[in-house]
Amino acid sequence: NAGVTQTPKFRILKIGQSMTLQCAQDMNHNYMYWYRQDPGMGLKLIYYSVGAGITDKGEVPNGYNVSRSTTEDFPLRLELAAPSQTSVYFCASSYTQRGPNQPQHFGDGTRLSIL
Amino acid sequence: QKEVEQNSGPLSVPEGAIASLNCTYSDRGSQSFFWYRQYSGKSPELIMFIYSNGDKEDGRFTAQLNKASQYVSLLIRDSQPSDSATYLCAVNFGGRSTGNQFYFGTGTSLTVIP
Repeated sequence: NAGVTQTPKFRILKIGQSMTLQCAQDMNHNYMYWYRQDPGMGLKLIYYSVGAGITDKGEVPNGYNVSRSTTEDFPLRLELAAPSQTSVYFCASSYTQRGPNQPQHFGDGTRLSIL
Repeated sequence: QKEVEQNSGPLSVPEGAIASLNCTYSDRGSQSFFWYRQYSGKSPELIMFIYSNGDKEDGRFTAQLNKASQYVSLLIRDSQPSDSATYLCAVNFGGRSTGNQFYFGTGTSLTVIP
C-alpha cells in the first residue's frame, strides 16, 4: 500500500495563478483532511471530508476549495494564489465507523511558494 | 475558541534522560488526544494516542492524560539522539460542530544531546 500520496511535492506559483494539489489514499479511509503548516507553527485545518460527496470547512478555509467525488481522492484547489498561501500543505486520512477518534495518516506534503 | 497549547521549547535533554513534553487544551469535553513526531522537513508521524484518564505505555513512550486538569503529556524514557524532533499535540474536542476536527498545538522542539 502506498498510504497517502500527495502531488506535486514542490511548486512555485505567481500571484493570481491557480492550481490543484492532489491527494490520494489507498487504505479505504472514509475521513480525509487538508492542513497547512506555516514555519514554526502547528497544523491548521483547511477542509475535511467524512466521505465521498461530503466536505466541510475547517479553521482556515478562505481562498481554498475542495471536492470529494471518490473515497480515494481529495484534491485542494487554490483559485487566486496569494503570498499568504505560501506554506506546506499536508493531506491526511483516517478510518472510523463511530467518529473521528482514530489516528490520522499523513502524506509527505506539498511545499508551495507564491511569488 | 478551541485551543491546544504547548511550550515551544527548545527542550534539551542529555542522552539517556527522560524527556517530558506537556500540552494543555481548552475544552473539558475533549475526547481524544494524539502525539505526533515531526522531523524537520518531514510529515507528522503518530507516536501515541490516548482516550482515557491515566497512563498509556508503548515502549519508551508514555502518554499521560488528566481530563480534570485538561492536560496531556508525553514522557520519553532513555532519550536517544534520534528522538530529536518537534512533537505535536493534537486534540479532538468532539461535539456537533467540531467533532470531526483535530486541533494541533504549535509543537515542542526536543533536542537530545549525545
